[in-house]
This record gives sequence, structure tokens and C-alpha cells, in this order.
Amino acid sequence: AQKITQTQPGMFVQEKEAVTLDCTYDTSDPSYGLFWYKQPSSGEMIFLIYQGSYDQQNATEGRYSLNFQKARKSANLVISASQLGDSAMYFCAMREGGSNYKLTFGKGTLLTVNP
Amino acid sequence: DAGVTQSPTHLIKTRGQQVTLRCSPKSGHDTVSWYQQALGQGPQFIFQYYEEEERQRGNFPDRFSGHQFPNYSSELNVNALLLGDSALYLCASSRGTSRLGNQPQHFGDGTRLSIL
Repeated sequence: AQKITQTQPGMFVQEKEAVTLDCTYDTSDPSYGLFWYKQPSSGEMIFLIYQGSYDQQNATEGRYSLNFQKARKSANLVISASQLGDSAMYFCAMREGGSNYKLTFGKGTLLTVNP
Repeated sequence: DAGVTQSPTHLIKTRGQQVTLRCSPKSGHDTVSWYQQALGQGPQFIFQYYEEEERQRGNFPDRFSGHQFPNYSSELNVNALLLGDSALYLCASSRGTSRLGNQPQHFGDGTRLSIL
């Protein structure tokens, strides 16, 4: 089974509007962390936001917020006031607890912001 | 404050050859992870090095090996290259003493390896 599922291969949004990128995950570990990364065409993975499984509140970082629904095992990324520079691939990733150090990534969503 | 640096940026090899990719972690980081990203896919974990030892390994054959030096920099070696090894290879660094928490892995720009 896929650990991280991103069901939207591509998304389009108008500049200045908000957009939600979906992510569902699968784990039996009670302790885990969820990350979102942005990858422009240049290739670098840029860390955006983190949500821990025990965090009581949804994470926010500037224009990025994470809609964390633990019971549904979803961690959707919300980008407010989209900018042209937000056009990129977006990856959801999970790190499970214990002595597990790796990040498991989804297949990504390509976001295109239209002027 | 330098981030994660990787070299070379691009590399072209032929089947059967061997390749070495290099990574310098972000200042203050002591752990290096390597990922392979095939075209159109998310990164796949190869292995992680901490205190000069391989701490965790993903589902990659023994042709993939690595090393970490006392200054925390790292090398990824791939032997007997196959066409399927063509990919973007990403290095990520982090602080090894951090247990699960909000310490993200910071990535470099990657090395794009093409096998002919």
C-alpha cells in the first residue's frame, strides 16, 4: 500500500486565489511527522511546513497552512494568495517514529499559477 | 550560511561504469541522506549516514554504496551503472540528534545523472 498518496497530478489556480493540495497517508505508528516540500523546475527541494502527529493545532508558515485531519489521515496543504512563483511540483512526505529516519514521499502535484 | 551543496551538477556515464557523487551538508548538520528521484516521481530513500556509518538503508541494491567523512560530507557511489539509474540524485542534511520533530531535512540542488 502507498504510504503517501497525492491524487492530484496537476492543479491550476488563478493568481491571488487560494489552492488546496491533497495528501493522505498510511501508517500504524502513533508518532510520525508530515512535511511538505516545493520543487521548482531547477530541482531543489524546498521545505515549506511540518505537522507532528501529536500537534494539537494545524501548522502555519506565512502563506502556507496545513489542514491536518488525523482521523482521516489527511494533511492537505493550503496556499493562500497564490503567486506566479508558486508554480512548481509539491510533494507531501512522512517520517515515521522510532528508529526510522527516512522520508517517504508521494508522487507530487504540479501546481500552475495563472496570471 | 551555506546550504547543502552537491557536485557535480550534471553527469553523463555509460552502462557498466561507476560514478561518485558528492555532498556537503548545511552548516551545523551532521547527518546526510541520499535520495533517487526518477523523472515524474517522488524521491526514493537510498540511505542515511550518521557518525560516519550507514544508519538506515532503503530498498536499493548493493551497487549503491556510500561514505561519510569526519567533516560530515558524504559520497554516493554507484557501480555497474544501468540505464535505470538515470535520475536526479538528491542529498539532504539534518541534525542527527533530533528525534522525530520539526527539524526538516534540507536538500541540495541535486546531481542529474544520465546513463547512455
